[in-house]
Amino acid sequence: GAGVSQSPSNKVTEKGKDVELRCDPISGHTALYWYRQSLGQGLEFLIYFQGNSAPDKSGLPSDRFSAERTGGSVSTLTIQRTQQEDSAVYLCASSPTGAKNIQYFGAGTRLSVL
Amino acid sequence: QKEVEQNSGPLSVPEGAIASLNCTYSDRGSQSFFWYRQYSGKSPELIMFIYSNGDKEDGRFTAQLNKASQYVSLLIRDSQPSDSATYLCAVISSGSARQLTFGSGTQLTVLP
Repeated sequence: GAGVSQSPSNKVTEKGKDVELRCDPISGHTALYWYRQSLGQGLEFLIYFQGNSAPDKSGLPSDRFSAERTGGSVSTLTIQRTQQEDSAVYLCASSPTGAKNIQYFGAGTRLSVL
Repeated sequence: QKEVEQNSGPLSVPEGAIASLNCTYSDRGSQSFFWYRQYSGKSPELIMFIYSNGDKEDGRFTAQLNKASQYVSLLIRDSQPSDSATYLCAVISSGSARQLTFGSGTQLTVLP
């Protein structure tokens, strides 16, 4: 079946603008994760959704970052008032219930803040 | 202190040799361990996962876990140039919301 789908694949924005990144998980996967991969920083966790439970937002770097997941499926990560340090690849992963946390990644959105 | 440590490399091995990639983790209560392969400009691809002490083999890949030493490794037998990539070790720590904590990755080059 289809894998994790992310859009757009690339996003160039000006400093101070808001951006929305979309993730469509694998059908039937109840868990959804957002990560960020910055040059030289490695992969870092941002936020986690499990079914209809309240999300774990412990990895969000500032209050400019937020995410929602509608209907337990598609998720949107929003970055308000973007800064140059937000430039990174934003990766979404999903995992089925009971799969011992095996996570499958989408192709990512490369965000460039000018 | 970083929670998951890997040698950044680069690690170079000749084609056909065994590549050995190592990873240590700080949380003794960690339960789940993963190896992802990431080609340049691409997203991480799951290679192996291991939960119990010992070895787990899948084709040319073997994952080894030693919880007492807080050590996990990946062996790639009969290395091929197509194995050239960055290998990421990832751990799910105790008490976490099941998110992966990644090492910084080891860059592997297999020389033809």
